[in-house]
Amino acid sequence: AQSVTQPDIHITVSEGASLELRCNYSYGATPYLFWYVQSPGQGLQLLLKYFSGDTLVQGIKGFEAEFKRSQSSFNLRKPSVHWSDAAEYFCAVGANNAGNMLTFGGGTRLMVKP
Amino acid sequence: GAVVSQHPSRVICKSGTSVKIECRSLDFQATTMFWYRQFPKKSLMLMATSNEGSKATYEQGVEKDKFLINHASLTLSTLTVTSAHPEDSSFYICSAAARLAGSDEQYFGPGTRLTVT
Repeated sequence: AQSVTQPDIHITVSEGASLELRCNYSYGATPYLFWYVQSPGQGLQLLLKYFSGDTLVQGIKGFEAEFKRSQSSFNLRKPSVHWSDAAEYFCAVGANNAGNMLTFGGGTRLMVKP
Repeated sequence: GAVVSQHPSRVICKSGTSVKIECRSLDFQATTMFWYRQFPKKSLMLMATSNEGSKATYEQGVEKDKFLINHASLTLSTLTVTSAHPEDSSFYICSAAARLAGSDEQYFGPGTRLTVT
């Protein structure tokens, strides 16, 4: 069965500092990996996704993520965090490239200090 | 881009009543829609997969008679919480799988906050 682990429940960073959110997955085949962001009381917005090819993927809002098969990881990074980035971030793994059957990690709540 | 709407955004109902939540794909057709449930400060849990014109597939532990799902058209799926109880209070999110030119992913609705009193 597929699973996703986000080890950090909460992370606090200062505005302008760099950010890395960790994601580890377990999947029996080629994983399709996603990062979503959720603002309070809102739905999910896709930040980026990995299907194949270049293991470093660029997303919206200045985010990027790197797929490392040997470590079963898909960590999300941003070089300089803005106060508006404060939100909940979810990593997910899917069964195919339509994003079907998504399994979500537990989420990481990001807080940004001024 | 592809947009998914949900209605209502918030609903409060009394215990024992039924509540219907609508999920619509506004500018694309979705043969498959998904219903998720999110508890406070928790992740999303898939409840069921809804395919247009056929019965929904429910995840283990989700009562199909409790959570009725109908996917009557390519742009609309509904979730009805029957005989609601306070433990059904939650944030319900739908998504729609889109296969569009240059895009092949799942789009999420804004969610519906259900409170059962």
